[in-house]
Amino acid sequence: GQQLNQSPQSMFIQEGEDVSMNCTSSSIFNTWLWYKQDPGEGPVLLIALYKAGELTSNGRLTAQFGITRKDSFLNISASIPSDVGIYFCAGQGRSNYKLTFGKGTLLTVNP
Amino acid sequence: DAGVIQSPRHEVTEMGQEVTLRCKPISGHDYLFWYRQTMMRGLELLIYFNNNVPIDDSGMPEDRFSAKMPNASFSTLKIQPSEPRDSAVYFCASSLSRVGYGYTFGSGTRLTVV
Repeated sequence: GQQLNQSPQSMFIQEGEDVSMNCTSSSIFNTWLWYKQDPGEGPVLLIALYKAGELTSNGRLTAQFGITRKDSFLNISASIPSDVGIYFCAGQGRSNYKLTFGKGTLLTVNP
Repeated sequence: DAGVIQSPRHEVTEMGQEVTLRCKPISGHDYLFWYRQTMMRGLELLIYFNNNVPIDDSGMPEDRFSAKMPNASFSTLKIQPSEPRDSAVYFCASSLSRVGYGYTFGSGTRLTVV
């Protein structure tokens, strides 16, 4: 089946630093999504990408849909303590509504 | 909208007992998903429904697990009998049948089997 490789598994950074994480797939996806999970809560959608090459921003977050449609990255600029959590990438095929999730990146921000 | 509502938020039970987790999806959503999250395995899809019909239950660990969706606004995940290795956070999510729409997750049920 489809698999997503998400890296890094975890990151420990200082407040104010920029963060970058990415996902790669063995299969082509038509939609890439990035979710954030706060401690004790369910994942919440941050950004959705629908077209190869698309670059989308949401505040301090920027995500890109890779040209090959097999990868995506998420950048967070000027991190703050509330950025702490687990970030998941997810891919969706053309006609299948089921999402394939990466294993997540655990982000810790030291004030 | 109140979002996806799961109950209970926390459940502690003894090994061998029956556990029932509940989920109310977002009104109008026609897909419902049950996930399990552990440190070791991450997010695992257990089963999903479309228009109340189970579509794929290949992720259900074993016969001790069962899920139902008797109507569009309610689903249950039952574990009988429960075992300590079932301890995890269980999430319900719902979605529309629209490519690129994404899922909306509930806040989860943290299950501890002692």
